[in-house]
Amino acid sequence: GESVGLHLPTLSVQEGDNSIINCAYSNSASDYFIWYKQESGKGPQFIIDIRSNMDKRQGQRVTVLLNKTVKHLSLQIAATQPGDSAVYFCAERTDSGGGADGLTFGKGTHLIIQP
Amino acid sequence: DAGVTQSPTHLIKTRGQQVTLRCSPKSGHDTVSWYQQALGQGPQFIFQYYEEEERQRGNFPDRFSGHQFPNYSSELNVNALWLGDSALYLCASSFRSGGSGYTFGSGTRLTVV
Repeated sequence: GESVGLHLPTLSVQEGDNSIINCAYSNSASDYFIWYKQESGKGPQFIIDIRSNMDKRQGQRVTVLLNKTVKHLSLQIAATQPGDSAVYFCAERTDSGGGADGLTFGKGTHLIIQP
Repeated sequence: DAGVTQSPTHLIKTRGQQVTLRCSPKSGHDTVSWYQQALGQGPQFIFQYYEEEERQRGNFPDRFSGHQFPNYSSELNVNALWLGDSALYLCASSFRSGGSGYTFGSGTRLTVV
């Protein structure tokens, strides 16, 4: 099965509202987490990341929260705009000790912005 | 400063054929990873190359192979194509010592008929 998963395949929000996208992960050894945005026909675009020794990290209009106790990750987008419409993926990295760092992605949440 | 570039952008192949996809990493990056993204799914890690060697591999058969060149560019080869190999193939580059800062290309859309 997948190491990283998302709770909702689709999330619909009103323009201007805040969006919260959730992600559950299963590998407690993962040390680094990333949120990506993917628009149609494009590759994943980095949004924000967080290391396992942190609980919260803020960027411009985005905040990532990490709860290691329940292995839960969330992405909060403030004042959602039409340009935020995309599929959002969380990804985790597990350092195997050999230095290699392939990412494990979840299935994604499609964020739809309603006017 | 160019990001990650992949070629070709689209490709149609017949079942049983072989295909080669190419990736040029972002300037300053020395590590290349390949991912397969089926329609409606998240990307799946295929393998990663650093110093011209495969360093880590995901759950993909030996039909999937790769190469990294001295200039850090990379190729992904898939032999004996199946219909199920139809997907978007993504290349991501990073700087080894940094351990983060992955940059993805726009991908190659492979259709096997």
